[in-house]
Amino acid sequence: QVQLVESGGGLVKPGGSLRLSCAASGFTFSDYYFSWIRQAPGKGLEWVSYISDNGRTRYYADSVRGRFTISRDAAKNSLYLQMNSLRAEDTAVYFCVRDRDKKYEYAFDVCGQGTMVTVSS
Amino acid sequence: IQMTQSPSSLSASVGDRVTITCRASEVIGDHLAWFQQKPGKPPKSLIHTASRLQSGVPSKFSGSGSGTDFTLTISSLQAEDFATYYCQQYRSYPLTFGGGTKVEVK
Repeated sequence: QVQLVESGGGLVKPGGSLRLSCAASGFTFSDYYFSWIRQAPGKGLEWVSYISDNGRTRYYADSVRGRFTISRDAAKNSLYLQMNSLRAEDTAVYFCVRDRDKKYEYAFDVCGQGTMVTVSS
Repeated sequence: IQMTQSPSSLSASVGDRVTITCRASEVIGDHLAWFQQKPGKPPKSLIHTASRLQSGVPSKFSGSGSGTDFTLTISSLQAEDFATYYCQQYRSYPLTFGGGTKVEVK
C-alpha cells in the first residue's frame, strides 16, 4: 500500500546532528514532490522544508535555513533531512509528506507516522 | 503568509453543527487545505482547494471560502470527530498552518 515510513530520530545534544530518513513505497517516488513538517510537543504543525521531484528546487523555513538540508535518492525511494547545529527548539515529531504530484497539483495526501527528535543536554 | 484560526478551542456535543474559520494575512485564492489530527497520530488531509474533499473523507465535512476567509463545517459531529483541526495555505512557500482548533466534548 501507499506508505511513508520515517526513521532516524532520537536524543541528541544541542549543537549535534541527526539525519532523518523517509522510505516511500506503493507509488512512483519520482512522480512526487515532498515536504518535511514538524510538531513540537503540545504545539501546532510547522512546515520545515520542500524538495522538487528532481531534487533541484529546495525550500526551507527561516527557522532551519542554513542548518537543515533536504535531499532525495530515487534509487532508494527515500527522502532525507540532514539536521545540523540542533537546538532545543528543534525538538519535535518530524513527518514526511507527499507535497505535490508530477503535474504540480497539491497533494499532502500521504503522511508518515513521524519520528521523534529530542534535543537536550 | 500568516494563517489565523478561530476559535482555538470549542466544546460541542454529538450531533452539533460545528464551524471553524481561518483567515489568511493576504489573498491566497482557493489554495487552502484543512487537516484533522488526533493525539499521537499524523495529520489527516480532509479538504483541499478550499472545498474539495480528499478521497475517502465523509461528506459531513465541507469547506468554503476564497481570497482570505475560509470555513470548515462539520454538519453533524460524531464521536470520531473530536480532534484538532488545522488550516494550511499552499499559495506560496513557506507553507503555513493555522494555530489549530481543538474540538472537545461538551
